[in-house]
Amino acid sequence: QVQVVQTGAEVKKPGASVKVSCKTSGYTFTHYGISWVRQAPGQGLEWVGWTNPSNGKINYAQKLQGRVTVTTDTSTSTAYMELRNLRSDDTAVYYCARSYGDPFYYFDYWGQGTLVTVSS
Amino acid sequence: SYELTQSPSVSVSPGQTARITCFGDELPKQYAYWYQQKPGQAPVLVIYKDSERPSGIPERFSGSSSGTTVTLTISGVQAEDEADYYCQSADNSGTYEVLFGGGTKLTVL
Repeated sequence: QVQVVQTGAEVKKPGASVKVSCKTSGYTFTHYGISWVRQAPGQGLEWVGWTNPSNGKINYAQKLQGRVTVTTDTSTSTAYMELRNLRSDDTAVYYCARSYGDPFYYFDYWGQGTLVTVSS
Repeated sequence: SYELTQSPSVSVSPGQTARITCFGDELPKQYAYWYQQKPGQAPVLVIYKDSERPSGIPERFSGSSSGTTVTLTISGVQAEDEADYYCQSADNSGTYEVLFGGGTKLTVL
């Protein structure tokens, strides 16, 4: 069965960077995209970015361009999301999700989420 | 910029029908998707491509589309359906950005 497992919670200071990992199993990693979605406390869902592991295509939310990088390691079926120059409003649960479709996609399997707290 | 708009809340009694709507100017050109999210849990896909239901999702969940409006209908609502529901689509202008509606809190009275 498809599984998407993320790393544990992180606490960072403003200006620092965070890298969240997402290990997948139960399907062929290069046959689907991987997206990252975040959710600030008490707020709605916000898309962060997407990548196609088979060809390296990437797309990021415009508001995060320049601060976010999404990568994959096809040898371990793992995806990574790095967010730099963290601010307090980056505090959120970050989800990775298997994504079906290109260039338009949806999210059929989600990780459990990783809480990233940015605080001085 | 393009947005998806949902009503903040819907309340129904058990056994009734709940309808949750999502408005967006680009919805006639793009599919919509619906996710259910319960407190402390990751979202779950309940409808894809406007009206398709993933395996494992109960038949009481259905989706429809008409012009700039898509609707998630839950027939015979059960207490376990109380959750936040989000619509999702995409910007068709060339950025391919994913858009989410603001979410609708479904309360089962």
